[in-house]
Amino acid sequence: SQKIEQNSEALNIQEGKTATLTCNYTNYSPAYLQWYRQDPGRGPVFLLLIRENEKEKRKERLKVTFDTTLKQSLFHITASQPADSATYLCALRDAGNMLTFGGGTRLMVKP
Amino acid sequence: EPEVTQTPSHQVTQMGQEVILRCVPISNHLYFYWYRQILGQKVEFLVSFYNNEISEKSEIFDDQFSVERPDGSNFTLKIRSTKLEDSAMYFCASRGGLETLYFGPGTRLLVL
Repeated sequence: SQKIEQNSEALNIQEGKTATLTCNYTNYSPAYLQWYRQDPGRGPVFLLLIRENEKEKRKERLKVTFDTTLKQSLFHITASQPADSATYLCALRDAGNMLTFGGGTRLMVKP
Repeated sequence: EPEVTQTPSHQVTQMGQEVILRCVPISNHLYFYWYRQILGQKVEFLVSFYNNEISEKSEIFDDQFSVERPDGSNFTLKIRSTKLEDSAMYFCASRGGLETLYFGPGTRLLVL
């Protein structure tokens, strides 16, 4: 069956450090992968989309990599700030063409 | 910036009652979605809607659920006879020609 796996344990880091979150998937052959941010009690907010032919994509302090051989995407936030504290979700379109989300990883950035 | 809106923000209902959750997608978007998130769990796909019909639905979206676009702006999710396990946040989303989904703020449904 298709699975999207993200570390369910919270990631705690110090302000100013780089946060790295992982998304692994099985039984998908995605043309692209998306990352969203979700704050408590709010809807997901789109951050970045990376296509299968792109190794890396950047947006301000965010960087996403996509390794279709390893079936993995890494999401980096450089110079992290307490305001970056949230849950980060990766999402893939599955065989039924539905956008499916991973369980998310909660990031806590301490001042 | 255009945004997806949802009403009500909170809904409390008795088991067995019908509820209608309302959404106003972004005006020039063509694809509409409902997702739900049970407290502490992942965001789960329910249904997608395009060209006035359901294009995809998940196993969760059984006969108790229905969607409708009654006019040019609203998109509704109806749960005919609510169950305790329907308690969740329900998110509406829409998208235009690109792959990005724009989510609304959600409706928190509590079934007692």
